[in-house]
Amino acid sequence: GQQLNQSPQSMFIQEGEDVSMNCTSSSIFNTWLWYKQDPGEGPVLLIALYKAGELTSNGRLTAQFGITRKDSFLNISASIPSDVGIYFCAGHTSGTYKYIFGTGTRLKVLA
Amino acid sequence: NAGVTQTPKFRVLKTGQSMTLLCAQDMNHEYMYWYRQDPGMGLRLIHYSVGEGTTAKGEVPDGYNVSRLKKQNFLLGLESAAPSQTSVYFCASSYPPGRNNEKLFFGSGTQLSVL
Repeated sequence: GQQLNQSPQSMFIQEGEDVSMNCTSSSIFNTWLWYKQDPGEGPVLLIALYKAGELTSNGRLTAQFGITRKDSFLNISASIPSDVGIYFCAGHTSGTYKYIFGTGTRLKVLA
Repeated sequence: NAGVTQTPKFRVLKTGQSMTLLCAQDMNHEYMYWYRQDPGMGLRLIHYSVGEGTTAKGEVPDGYNVSRLKKQNFLLGLESAAPSQTSVYFCASSYPPGRNNEKLFFGSGTQLSVL
């Protein structure tokens, strides 16, 4: 099935550093969602975006809906050890049941 | 504040056995989904439901059946388990698309091993 391209695939960062990741698609979406998944757990919704250009924050996390509607970005500021996990995006087109998921970015934070 | 609840959390089956995975949501969502997650393949949709009494096939429906007898429950059945069905299964729910409020909420998953 179709998957969205996420970059980077994985990253090691030092505690306190800022993190950036992105998600790109060949299709236009009306909604972008960002999730975090911890080992052995289900994905947890972090941020939802509904409008091109929209910038939304959730604590230290900020996500943006790309102007072309084919991409989205997630930034984490001042990373901490509990930010470790897999982050993935999901895109949705209005009027459909279908969500398309990204390949995931695995984040590891070095204390 | 339960959200989406899945049972069981873990299960081991022998090839040919059958089982049912249970999913319940308390958010009054019309749409419910079953996904499987495999390394390198991401989340793949097995079946979904747009309302009580309705179900439809996703991208990998073979070997699975579902039922949505009540709005809050969505059951996934494996008729005759095969090793290829070893995976982590997630249930999810959402409001219908089109209200500019599309959000997909997931359960905590069921780790299934078929020997």
